[in-house]
Amino acid sequence: EVQLLESGGDWVQPGGSLRLSCAASGFTFSTYPMSWVRQAPGKGLEWVSGISDSGDGAKYADSVKGRFTISRDNSKNTVFLQMNSLTAEDTAVYYCATRWWLDSWGQGTLVTVSS
Amino acid sequence: DIQMTQSPSAMSASVGDRVTITCRASQGISNSLAWFQQKPGKVPKRLIYSASTLQSGVPSRFSGSGSGIEFTLTISSLQPEDFATYYCLQHNSHPYTFGQGTKLEI
Repeated sequence: EVQLLESGGDWVQPGGSLRLSCAASGFTFSTYPMSWVRQAPGKGLEWVSGISDSGDGAKYADSVKGRFTISRDNSKNTVFLQMNSLTAEDTAVYYCATRWWLDSWGQGTLVTVSS
Repeated sequence: DIQMTQSPSAMSASVGDRVTITCRASQGISNSLAWFQQKPGKVPKRLIYSASTLQSGVPSRFSGSGSGIEFTLTISSLQPEDFATYYCLQHNSHPYTFGQGTKLEI
């Protein structure tokens, strides 16, 4: 069974940084692209970023390009999202999901950006 | 970027009704479309992928159709547990984009 466990969500001031992690189990992690999706309070879903299975290809939403960096450690079955220059508009629950087409999701981790 | 326009944004229906939700892409996306269901406070769940393929374990009252620009999600006979918000996602070209959601209410 696929299991995804996000961590690292926290309260941070505008301009700050945060690193999210997603620990995966129950599948061959190194063969799966991985994605991050977020949902602001009371709002819809927004695709944020994705990374290829080998880690050599990363894609980003326009809203986070240049501020967020996705990476992965296949030896630790973990995908990361480094978030810099955070603004209030980045406040959301962040989910990791398997593959480009999001077939399995974690429970999410809450990021709050506020002064 | 490809824009996904979902309609309606909200609708009321009754148990047993047939319901159709539509997603229109701003340019052709072949069949690279998925549908998700999200209940309040819960994680989104994928229902359909490749526009018309039912995810394993999803009831057969859900179906998807379409290709290119216009796509539909149909629930043939609404059940109480189907009242939720539904989203489409295009995964044809980056950045991937969701529709704005359709809230299905009693």
